[in-house]
Amino acid sequence: AQKITQTQPGMFVQEKEAVTLDCTYDTSDPSYGLFWYKQPSSGEMIFLIYQGSYDQQNATEGRYSLNFQKARKSANLVISASQLGDSAMYFCAMREGDGGYNKLIFGAGTRLAVHP
Amino acid sequence: DAGVIQSPRHEVTEMGQEVTLRCKPISGHDYLFWYRQTMMRGLELLIYFNNNVPIDDSGMPEDRFSAKMPNASFSTLKIQPSEPRDSAVYFCASSPPGLAYEQYFGPGTRLTVT
Repeated sequence: AQKITQTQPGMFVQEKEAVTLDCTYDTSDPSYGLFWYKQPSSGEMIFLIYQGSYDQQNATEGRYSLNFQKARKSANLVISASQLGDSAMYFCAMREGDGGYNKLIFGAGTRLAVHP
Repeated sequence: DAGVIQSPRHEVTEMGQEVTLRCKPISGHDYLFWYRQTMMRGLELLIYFNNNVPIDDSGMPEDRFSAKMPNASFSTLKIQPSEPRDSAVYFCASSPPGLAYEQYFGPGTRLTVT
């Protein structure tokens, strides 16, 4: 079974609008972390935001917020006020366990296109 | 602070040749990861080290691939002999320990095997 599922291969949004990128995960471990990374056309992987399984509040980082719904096992990324520079691939990832076991499992990614 | 450094950035080689990819993690990080990214398979973890010791190499495709970390500031991923299907972008990443720490990725090495 897929541990991380990103069901949207591609999304587009109008500049200055908000967009939600979906991510669902599967784990039986009570302790885990969820990450979003951005990969622009230049190829580098850029960390955006992190949510811990025990965090009470949804994570926010500037224009990025993570809509964490634990019961539904979803960790959607919300980008507000989209900019042309947000056009990129976006990957959701999960790390399980809290014993220093640092293996990340990545989803297939969603390609976001921001239109002017 | 310097980020994760990878070399070379691009490598073109002929089938059958040996290829060595290099990585310098961020100072103070004790986890190092090697990933491979292809259109077909996405981002796959090949192997990771903790304190220079390989912890999980279950993602290494086959015996043609080997990775070493002789010290805390250097790691290599070697492919011998290389094959066209090894063409991909290879990323190195490092992180401090702990669940909450993101992995910091290097710029990647784009490998083309002809």
